Order: sequence, then C-alpha cells, then structure tokens
Amino acid sequence: LAKTTQPISMDSYEGQEVNITCSHNNIATNDYITWYQQFPSQGPRFIIQGYKTKVTNEVASLFIPADRKSSTLSLPRVSLSDTAVYYCLVGADKLIFGTGTRLQVFP
Amino acid sequence: DVKVTQSSRYLVKRTGEKVFLECVQDMDHENMFWYRQDPGLGLRLIYFSYDVKMKEKGDIPEGYSVSREKKERFSLILESASTNQTSMYLCASSSLTAGQETQYFGPGTRLLVL
Repeated sequence: LAKTTQPISMDSYEGQEVNITCSHNNIATNDYITWYQQFPSQGPRFIIQGYKTKVTNEVASLFIPADRKSSTLSLPRVSLSDTAVYYCLVGADKLIFGTGTRLQVFP
Repeated sequence: DVKVTQSSRYLVKRTGEKVFLECVQDMDHENMFWYRQDPGLGLRLIYFSYDVKMKEKGDIPEGYSVSREKKERFSLILESASTNQTSMYLCASSSLTAGQETQYFGPGTRLLVL
C-alpha cells in the first residue's frame, strides 16, 4: 500500500486559493488518488478522486503530474467553513488514512 | 445519497463491559469498515468486511471483534471495554468499482470508557 506524505498544517485567509500537496512515491499502477475532508466530530467526507492529469468538481481541483508520485488538491477562494483536516489517500482498496493536513482559514 | 448511520453519537461505558457499536448503510455496498480516530494518530483501521459473514483484521484488531450477518449491517464489539479504548469510532462503507473505491463515513460514535 502506497504511503502518503502531506504537510501537518496550513494557514490561509478567506478568499485565497489553497494548494495542498501530497507525495506518494510508491504509488501502484492501479492506484487512484482520493482526498477526503473532515470537520471536528464528523466522519471524513469524500472530496475528489483522480488517476492522472486534472480532475475538477464543484468543490475542488486535483492536479496529478505524469509520474503520479505526487498530487495537489486545490481549493479556490476558501472560506471559514473550509477549515478542516484534509486527507490524501492512495490505493484501490483498504485505504490508509494518515494524519492529514489541518487547514485553518482566517477572516 | 449514500447514508451510513451509527447507533449512537455518544456512549459512556465502564471498564469490563461488553460494548456493541452498530453501523448500517443503505446503498447495498459490499465493503464495510471500522476505524478508530485518536488525536495525532489519524484514522486507524480495526476490521473490515468485503461480504456477509466475512471479516478481516485491520491494523489494530486487538480487543475488538466484528459481526456481519447482513449486508447492510456491520457491528463492532468490544468484548471487555478498557480505558484505552476511549476513542472516536467511525464506520464506513464502499463499493469497489473498476479499481476505484470511495468510502462513505458515518457520523462517528464517541466512546468514553470509565
């Protein structure tokens, strides 16, 4: 199972774009990259998933370079409600959650 | 929308008690999971199941057991609760489709063992 490394915490201000990068050097050929968001006292919530290049949905964008050894979650124009922990996971099943990145958005 | 429900949001038990945590999903998912989450440690997988009456150990199964008698229900059992099992317990379900897996989580049960 591919291990992921991401920053422990990040700070931002409302209205800014936030990019959280995750490294996964030993990603396997059939692994997908998935990001989850977790608010305090709630279960993680699926944000976005991709295999290569770029994926965009109404919440975020996911950028994956050709070698797939890293990925970047991009949150456009964050608001206070985006303050949460963001997890990057790699795999096809039995996902492994790390400690995630704690994003704090300030007014 | 996928819905995963857990029987309790908060639970207080005494050391030595037998504790049942129930999880139900309504999307006919094959896979179900139990995690615990502790500050600074992220989510750790306790047990998972890919089918009815099937179970596999995760990373920290000691002190826990599970039961999956029906596809929609996955129960976590603490045979004899201990204070180090005080934690947030999260249930998830998923359906593996073409190598992609998205897990859907319940709201969690915060268990306090006194």
